[in-house]
Amino acid sequence: TQLLEQSPQFLSIQEGENLTVYCNSSSVFSSLQWYRQEPGEGPVLLVTVVTGGEVKKLKRLTFQFGDARKDSSLHITAAQPGDTGLYLCAGEGNTGFQKLVFGTGTRLLVSP
Amino acid sequence: DAGITQSPRHKVTETGTPVTLRCHQTENHRYMYWYRQDPGHGLRLIHYSYGVKDTDKGEVSDGYSVSRSKTEDFLLTLESATSSQTSVYFCAISESSGFDQPQHFGDGTRLSIL
Repeated sequence: TQLLEQSPQFLSIQEGENLTVYCNSSSVFSSLQWYRQEPGEGPVLLVTVVTGGEVKKLKRLTFQFGDARKDSSLHITAAQPGDTGLYLCAGEGNTGFQKLVFGTGTRLLVSP
Repeated sequence: DAGITQSPRHKVTETGTPVTLRCHQTENHRYMYWYRQDPGHGLRLIHYSYGVKDTDKGEVSDGYSVSRSKTEDFLLTLESATSSQTSVYFCAISESSGFDQPQHFGDGTRLSIL
C-alpha cells in the first residue's frame, strides 16, 4: 500500500511569514497533486507535478517534486490570512488509472 | 465550478439502518469517485466508476456498495451502517483517467451514525 506522510500536521503563523509543507513517501508516484480545502467544501486542485525535480510556481506558492518522485514540498512566501486552509498532497500510482493516494493533510492558520 | 451536487449534505442515522448518498454531476464526465475523509487519514478512496454500470473497489470498500445507472448519478450505499462509517463523504469527477485531468470534488456529506 502506498502511503503519503505530510508534515507538519498543524502550522500556525503570522501574516508575512514563510513556510514549507512536506509530503513524503517510500513509494514512487507517476505524478503528484496538491489541493487546498476550506471548511465545508471539497478539495480544490492547486497544481500537478509530473517530472522528477520539477518546480512549479503559483503566485506566492512554489511546488517541487523530488528527483526520485517519492516526495514533494509546498513553500508559501509571505503568507496571508487567505492562505488558511487544509493542504493535501495526493499521489497517483503506476496503475495507469487515476486512483489517488492522499496525504494526511497539513492544517495552516495564518493570523493577521 | 464543476457541477457536482451531493445529497444529502448532512445526515444522522442509527446503527444498522441502510443509507444511500447521491452524487449528481452536470459535466458529463466519465469517471466518478467516492472518498471518505477522517482526521489523521486524509481522503481514502471507497469505490470508483469508469462508466455506466462499470465500477470497481477502492482502498476502503468493505461495508459499501455503489451503483451507476446513468452517467450523471453515482450512488453510495451503506447496507447496514456502523459507527465506524461516521465520516465526511466526498464525491469527485474527472473527464479522463490521465494525470493531466484533475479530479473535481463536491462539497461533501457529513454522515453521523449513532
